Amino acid sequence: RKEVEQDPGPFNVPEGATVAFNCTYSNSASQSFFWYRQDCRKEPKLLMSVYSSGNEDGRFTAQLNRASQYISLLIRDSKLSDSATYLCVVQVTNRKLIWGLGTSLAVNP
Amino acid sequence: GAGVSQSPSNKVTEKGKDVELRCDPISGHTALYWYRQSLGQGLEFLIYFQGNSAPDKSGLPSDRFSAERTGGSVSTLTIQRTQQEDSAVYLCASSFGNQPQHFGDGTRLSIL
Repeated sequence: RKEVEQDPGPFNVPEGATVAFNCTYSNSASQSFFWYRQDCRKEPKLLMSVYSSGNEDGRFTAQLNRASQYISLLIRDSKLSDSATYLCVVQVTNRKLIWGLGTSLAVNP
Repeated sequence: GAGVSQSPSNKVTEKGKDVELRCDPISGHTALYWYRQSLGQGLEFLIYFQGNSAPDKSGLPSDRFSAERTGGSVSTLTIQRTQQEDSAVYLCASSFGNQPQHFGDGTRLSIL
Protein backbone atom coordinates (compact mmCIF):
# COMPACT_ATOMS: atom_id res chain seq x y z
CA ARG A 1 0.00 0.00 0.00
CA LYS A 2 1.33 3.43 -0.90
CA GLU A 3 1.92 5.84 1.96
CA VAL A 4 -0.26 8.49 0.34
CA GLU A 5 -2.91 7.58 -2.23
CA GLN A 6 -4.99 9.74 -4.49
CA ASP A 7 -7.41 9.00 -7.29
CA PRO A 8 -5.47 10.15 -10.37
CA GLY A 9 -8.63 11.21 -12.20
CA PRO A 10 -8.96 13.00 -14.49
CA PHE A 11 -11.96 14.80 -13.10
CA ASN A 12 -13.77 16.67 -15.86
CA VAL A 13 -16.31 19.17 -14.54
CA PRO A 14 -18.18 22.14 -15.99
CA GLU A 15 -17.54 25.66 -14.81
CA GLY A 16 -19.42 26.42 -11.64
CA ALA A 17 -19.47 22.81 -10.45
CA THR A 18 -18.40 21.64 -7.02
CA VAL A 19 -15.72 18.97 -6.99
CA ALA A 20 -14.12 17.04 -4.14
CA PHE A 21 -10.88 15.10 -3.93
CA ASN A 22 -9.88 12.63 -1.26
CA CYS A 23 -6.45 11.50 -0.21
CA THR A 24 -5.70 8.61 2.15
CA TYR A 25 -2.51 8.13 4.15
CA SER A 26 -1.14 5.07 5.88
CA ASN A 27 0.96 6.45 8.73
CA SER A 28 -1.22 7.24 11.72
CA ALA A 29 1.63 9.30 13.22
CA SER A 30 1.30 11.89 10.44
CA GLN A 31 0.95 15.38 11.83
CA SER A 32 1.07 17.85 8.98
CA PHE A 33 -1.06 17.87 5.87
CA PHE A 34 -1.05 20.06 2.81
CA TRP A 35 -2.68 20.45 -0.56
CA TYR A 36 -0.53 21.69 -3.41
CA ARG A 37 -1.50 22.65 -6.92
CA GLN A 38 0.69 21.99 -9.93
CA ASP A 39 0.12 23.48 -13.36
CA CYS A 40 1.53 21.79 -16.43
CA ARG A 41 5.31 22.20 -16.66
CA LYS A 42 5.42 24.27 -13.48
CA GLU A 43 6.61 23.55 -9.96
CA PRO A 44 4.05 22.66 -7.26
CA LYS A 45 2.68 25.58 -5.29
CA LEU A 46 1.09 25.46 -1.87
CA LEU A 47 -2.68 25.73 -2.04
CA MET A 48 -3.45 25.34 1.63
CA SER A 49 -2.43 23.62 4.81
CA VAL A 50 -5.01 21.29 6.36
CA TYR A 51 -5.90 21.73 10.01
CA SER A 52 -7.67 19.34 12.33
CA SER A 53 -10.74 21.52 12.57
CA GLY A 54 -10.95 21.96 8.84
CA ASN A 55 -10.25 25.21 7.11
CA GLU A 56 -11.57 27.29 4.29
CA ASP A 57 -9.94 29.71 1.90
CA GLY A 58 -12.42 31.31 -0.44
CA ARG A 59 -13.86 28.61 -2.68
CA PHE A 60 -11.55 25.96 -1.24
CA THR A 61 -12.28 23.87 1.86
CA ALA A 62 -9.94 21.30 3.35
CA GLN A 63 -10.91 18.65 5.88
CA LEU A 64 -8.94 16.13 7.91
CA ASN A 65 -10.36 12.87 9.21
CA ARG A 66 -7.75 11.32 11.49
CA ALA A 67 -9.85 8.31 12.42
CA SER A 68 -10.17 7.26 8.79
CA GLN A 69 -6.81 8.71 7.81
CA TYR A 70 -7.89 10.83 4.93
CA ILE A 71 -7.91 14.44 3.92
CA SER A 72 -10.20 16.08 1.45
CA LEU A 73 -10.28 19.16 -0.74
CA LEU A 74 -13.54 20.71 -1.87
CA ILE A 75 -13.63 23.28 -4.64
CA ARG A 76 -16.86 25.24 -5.07
CA ASP A 77 -17.90 27.25 -8.10
CA SER A 78 -15.09 25.83 -10.23
CA LYS A 79 -13.26 28.22 -12.56
CA LEU A 80 -11.40 27.40 -15.75
CA SER A 81 -8.25 28.52 -13.95
CA ASP A 82 -8.71 25.74 -11.37
CA SER A 83 -7.64 23.21 -14.01
CA ALA A 84 -4.45 21.66 -12.63
CA THR A 85 -3.14 18.66 -10.76
CA TYR A 86 -3.86 18.68 -7.03
CA LEU A 87 -1.27 17.00 -4.84
CA CYS A 88 -1.80 15.73 -1.33
CA VAL A 89 1.20 15.90 1.03
CA VAL A 90 1.59 14.31 4.45
CA GLN A 91 4.35 14.61 7.02
CA VAL A 92 5.33 12.87 10.21
CA THR A 93 7.00 15.48 12.39
CA ASN A 94 10.70 15.93 11.56
CA ARG A 95 10.54 13.33 8.84
CA LYS A 96 10.39 13.83 5.13
CA LEU A 97 7.17 14.82 3.43
CA ILE A 98 5.35 12.14 1.50
CA TRP A 99 3.63 13.16 -1.72
CA GLY A 100 0.67 11.66 -3.46
CA LEU A 101 0.84 11.34 -7.23
CA GLY A 102 -1.87 13.92 -7.72
CA THR A 103 -5.42 14.21 -8.99
CA SER A 104 -5.94 15.85 -12.36
CA LEU A 105 -8.79 18.35 -12.69
CA ALA A 106 -10.08 19.81 -15.92
CA VAL A 107 -12.74 22.50 -15.68
CA ASN A 108 -14.59 22.91 -18.95
CA PRO A 109 -16.47 25.95 -20.28
CA GLY B 1 16.51 36.09 -2.25
CA ALA B 2 13.06 35.47 -0.93
CA GLY B 3 12.48 32.11 -2.58
CA VAL B 4 14.26 28.89 -3.45
CA SER B 5 16.70 29.49 -6.27
CA GLN B 6 17.86 26.79 -8.67
CA SER B 7 20.46 26.92 -11.37
CA PRO B 8 20.78 26.40 -14.21
CA SER B 9 17.17 26.67 -15.30
CA ASN B 10 17.91 24.56 -18.35
CA LYS B 11 20.74 22.16 -19.07
CA VAL B 12 21.36 20.23 -22.27
CA THR B 13 24.24 17.81 -22.29
CA GLU B 14 25.52 14.75 -24.08
CA LYS B 15 25.05 11.26 -22.77
CA GLY B 16 27.97 10.23 -20.58
CA LYS B 17 28.79 13.70 -19.30
CA ASP B 18 28.54 14.69 -15.66
CA VAL B 19 26.15 17.46 -14.59
CA GLU B 20 25.86 19.49 -11.43
CA LEU B 21 22.63 21.16 -10.36
CA ARG B 22 22.50 23.80 -7.68
CA CYS B 23 19.85 24.74 -5.13
CA ASP B 24 19.91 27.74 -2.83
CA PRO B 25 17.13 27.30 -0.24
CA ILE B 26 15.20 29.93 1.62
CA SER B 27 17.36 31.37 4.36
CA GLY B 28 16.79 29.63 7.68
CA HIS B 29 15.09 26.58 6.21
CA THR B 30 16.61 23.50 7.78
CA ALA B 31 15.09 20.92 5.46
CA LEU B 32 16.03 20.59 1.80
CA TYR B 33 14.63 18.11 -0.70
CA TRP B 34 15.49 17.10 -4.22
CA TYR B 35 12.85 15.62 -6.50
CA ARG B 36 12.64 14.87 -10.15
CA GLN B 37 9.63 14.85 -12.37
CA SER B 38 9.17 13.54 -15.86
CA LEU B 39 6.49 15.02 -18.10
CA GLY B 40 3.06 13.92 -16.97
CA GLN B 41 4.41 11.99 -13.99
CA GLY B 42 4.31 12.57 -10.26
CA LEU B 43 7.13 13.84 -8.09
CA GLU B 44 9.88 11.31 -7.53
CA PHE B 45 11.69 11.82 -4.23
CA LEU B 46 15.48 11.70 -4.51
CA ILE B 47 17.12 12.92 -1.29
CA TYR B 48 16.28 14.79 1.91
CA PHE B 49 18.57 16.84 4.14
CA GLN B 50 17.42 17.84 7.62
CA GLY B 51 19.74 20.05 9.63
CA ASN B 52 22.92 18.25 10.59
CA SER B 53 21.39 14.79 10.40
CA ALA B 54 22.58 12.21 7.91
CA PRO B 55 20.67 12.71 4.66
CA ASP B 56 17.92 10.34 3.57
CA LYS B 57 19.26 9.06 0.26
CA SER B 58 16.66 6.37 -0.18
CA GLY B 59 15.27 7.89 -3.38
CA LEU B 60 18.48 8.14 -5.36
CA PRO B 61 17.96 5.87 -8.39
CA SER B 62 21.57 4.75 -8.80
CA ASP B 63 25.09 5.36 -7.55
CA ARG B 64 25.56 7.82 -10.39
CA PHE B 65 23.49 10.26 -8.34
CA SER B 66 24.88 12.07 -5.33
CA ALA B 67 24.09 15.24 -3.44
CA GLU B 68 25.64 17.31 -0.78
CA ARG B 69 24.62 20.26 1.28
CA THR B 70 27.42 22.48 2.45
CA GLY B 71 27.11 24.53 5.60
CA GLY B 72 23.46 23.63 5.94
CA SER B 73 22.53 25.90 3.07
CA VAL B 74 23.32 25.46 -0.62
CA SER B 75 22.97 22.00 -2.09
CA THR B 76 24.35 20.46 -5.26
CA LEU B 77 22.97 17.39 -6.99
CA THR B 78 25.51 15.64 -9.18
CA ILE B 79 24.70 13.12 -11.86
CA GLN B 80 27.68 11.24 -13.26
CA ARG B 81 27.81 9.57 -16.67
CA THR B 82 24.37 10.84 -17.59
CA GLN B 83 21.91 8.60 -19.41
CA GLN B 84 18.95 9.57 -21.53
CA GLU B 85 16.55 8.35 -18.86
CA ASP B 86 17.96 11.03 -16.56
CA SER B 87 16.15 13.66 -18.64
CA ALA B 88 13.58 15.30 -16.39
CA VAL B 89 12.86 18.41 -14.38
CA TYR B 90 14.84 18.41 -11.15
CA LEU B 91 13.07 20.29 -8.39
CA CYS B 92 14.47 21.50 -5.11
CA ALA B 93 12.33 22.47 -2.14
CA SER B 94 13.03 23.72 1.35
CA SER B 95 11.05 24.01 4.54
CA PHE B 96 11.32 24.72 8.25
CA GLY B 97 9.81 22.49 10.91
CA ASN B 98 6.30 21.41 10.04
CA GLN B 99 5.76 24.30 7.67
CA PRO B 100 4.98 23.69 3.98
CA GLN B 101 7.68 23.20 1.41
CA HIS B 102 8.52 25.90 -1.06
CA PHE B 103 9.85 24.95 -4.46
CA GLY B 104 12.35 26.45 -6.82
CA ASP B 105 11.52 26.79 -10.49
CA GLY B 106 13.44 23.61 -11.28
CA THR B 107 16.20 22.66 -13.66
CA ARG B 108 15.07 21.14 -16.94
CA LEU B 109 17.71 18.57 -17.84
CA SER B 110 17.91 17.12 -21.33
CA ILE B 111 20.34 14.36 -22.19
CA LEU B 112 21.04 13.98 -25.90
